[in-house]
Amino acid sequence: EIVLTQSPGTLSLSPGERATLSCRASQSVTSSYFAWYQQKPGQAPRLLIYGASNRATGIPDRFSGSGSGTDFTLTISRLEPEDFAVYYCQHYGNAGTFGPGTKVDIK
Amino acid sequence: QVQLQESGPGLVKPSETLSLTCTVSGDSISTNYWSWIRQPAGKGLEWVGHIFTSGGTDYSPSSGSTDYNPSLKSRVTMSVDTSKDQFSLRLSSVTAADTAVYYCAREGWGVGRAFDIWGQGTMVAVSS
Repeated sequence: EIVLTQSPGTLSLSPGERATLSCRASQSVTSSYFAWYQQKPGQAPRLLIYGASNRATGIPDRFSGSGSGTDFTLTISRLEPEDFAVYYCQHYGNAGTFGPGTKVDIK
Repeated sequence: QVQLQESGPGLVKPSETLSLTCTVSGDSISTNYWSWIRQPAGKGLEWVGHIFTSGGTDYSPSSGSTDYNPSLKSRVTMSVDTSKDQFSLRLSSVTAADTAVYYCAREGWGVGRAFDIWGQGTMVAVSS
């Protein structure tokens, strides 16, 4: 069973700053089945990135994903006020394992 | 556009069976994977399982092809009713630990089966 670990648990930044979120898998995973989601309070998660590096429809280009094997990264180039939220990584396919989440809050 | 809507009781007694339905609009329920995910208050997301139906002419409720979270596998059953464009979750022998918001989601072929469409979620509390 694949376990995903996200770091840091909380990231405190100011609007306009760059955010770098990490996700590590307990074993090598297929990049094709790796995604990132954003969740705001009281809302369902929203797909940001699929296939490790592809932006979903309507996602601004300040969001980018990279990585392969066991190490994946979500980067938000310049934080906008609406980007403060919790971010989850996921490996999907025949099972949909989620990481524990990284909260990006306002410094 | 594609929309998903969860429905079911908001309160279930301990040891009983939780039953939820997700109604799909704007997309074919056939030839797609459909997932259930849950989230306890203040905690992260947990994938419950998914069901795939290959379509055809059978309009009776069917089990489809399923995969379940190993930690829940002994208590989970998913089914699909193509005539109603619905898929369902049953979780037996519930305890307080099963209290959560339950989401249904589509695994979109256009995004490599990532979870691209989500329902709004439905809160289920397990309490006597």
